[in-house]
Amino acid sequence: QQPVQSPQAVILREGEDAVINCSSSKALYSVHWYRQKHGEAPVFLMILLKGGEQKGHEKISASFNEKKQQSSLYLTASQLSYSGTYFCGTVFQGAQKLVFGQGTRLTINP
Amino acid sequence: GAGVSQSPSNKVTEKGKDVELRCDPISGHTALYWYRQRLGQGLEFLIYFQGNSAPDKSGLPSDRFSAERTGESVSTLTIQRTQQEDSAVYLCASSLLAGAAVNEQFFGPGTRLTVL
Repeated sequence: QQPVQSPQAVILREGEDAVINCSSSKALYSVHWYRQKHGEAPVFLMILLKGGEQKGHEKISASFNEKKQQSSLYLTASQLSYSGTYFCGTVFQGAQKLVFGQGTRLTINP
Repeated sequence: GAGVSQSPSNKVTEKGKDVELRCDPISGHTALYWYRQRLGQGLEFLIYFQGNSAPDKSGLPSDRFSAERTGESVSTLTIQRTQQEDSAVYLCASSLLAGAAVNEQFFGPGTRLTVL
């Protein structure tokens, strides 16, 4: 039931774009995105509810494709501060818990 | 007005000993979650509290793990007869309202548990 994230790791130069995908084999009610920097607690980025909406947060946005049970996180013109591990968390219909993916490590080099 | 706090920040124990990990959620937050994060891994759900009751304990790995929450605030995660595979960072999170589907979770800094 754990969602699958891809890629597992990404290395970018500052200013480049990245896409992180999160796929589930089970029908989803919502998808959450969190970023965790090394040695720190995860920090909330955004929640997407079923319905295919897209949300944005600074230069970070995400979409949720209900038919494919897939969410994608888009990082545009990446900054050094975007480095960290990105986790998607999924909530199934009727459930009250987040099931997190294994994470995608993003490294931004100057 | 502070965020979620956890104590201790680090705990080193010997195999077979019991440990208690504490979580102080943000004041007024109804829901409280415990997660386990092994080195380089994702977050593994352990248990969820809504108020003082635990509607979902499905993530507790074994009967050596238990948790309680009192006064709709502090929560304690207890691990009895610790094993080396229990070594991990234990994270606590709280949210204002119950219902993981639509509510942002605020995470504490975690307790790093090392079982020798």
